[in-house]
Amino acid sequence: LAKTTQPISMDSYEGQEVNITCSHNNIATNDYITWYQQFPSQGPRFIIQGYKTKVTNEVASLFIPADRKSSTLSLPRVSLSDTAVYYCLVGGGIMEYGNKLVFGAGTILRVKS
Amino acid sequence: NAGVTQTPKFRILKIGQSMTLQCAQDMNHNYMYWYRQDPGMGLKLIYYSVGAGITDKGEVPNGYNVSRSTTEDFPLRLELAAPSQTSVYFCASSYSGTGLKYFGPGTRLTVL
Repeated sequence: LAKTTQPISMDSYEGQEVNITCSHNNIATNDYITWYQQFPSQGPRFIIQGYKTKVTNEVASLFIPADRKSSTLSLPRVSLSDTAVYYCLVGGGIMEYGNKLVFGAGTILRVKS
Repeated sequence: NAGVTQTPKFRILKIGQSMTLQCAQDMNHNYMYWYRQDPGMGLKLIYYSVGAGITDKGEVPNGYNVSRSTTEDFPLRLELAAPSQTSVYFCASSYSGTGLKYFGPGTRLTVL
């Protein structure tokens, strides 16, 4: 299983862009990168998933360099409601992906007014 | 679509008691999972299932049992509750072959 390393916490202000970087040096060829968001007392919520280059959806963008040893979750113009824990997960193989994902400690993002 | 539902929301057990945490999903997902989350920590996988009748252990299976008789339901059984099992338990489901998981609201369990 690919181990991930994320900052423990980050602070930002409303309206700023926030970039959270995750290191996964031993990512395997068939691993995907997935980010989840978790609010207090709730289950994690899927944000975005990618394999290489850049993926964008209505919530965030995910940047993955060519060597895939890291990835960056970008949240544009954050608001107070984006205060949450963000998890970076790396999973093995399309067929095995669902059962191989491991959650680390995540990054606590605090957005201030 | 109710998504993933869990019952109960809260429960207090005495040491040695047993209980079953219920989980159901109405999205016809093949994969279902049970995680536990201790305060300030990430989620740890307890058990998972890739389809009805098929289950396997995750990272922390000791003290728990599961069964999967239908696609929709995936109950988690605690046989002899211990204080170390005090945690929040999340059930999740996903469509086969993708990493996108849908999580339930969680069950907060306290063992005294």
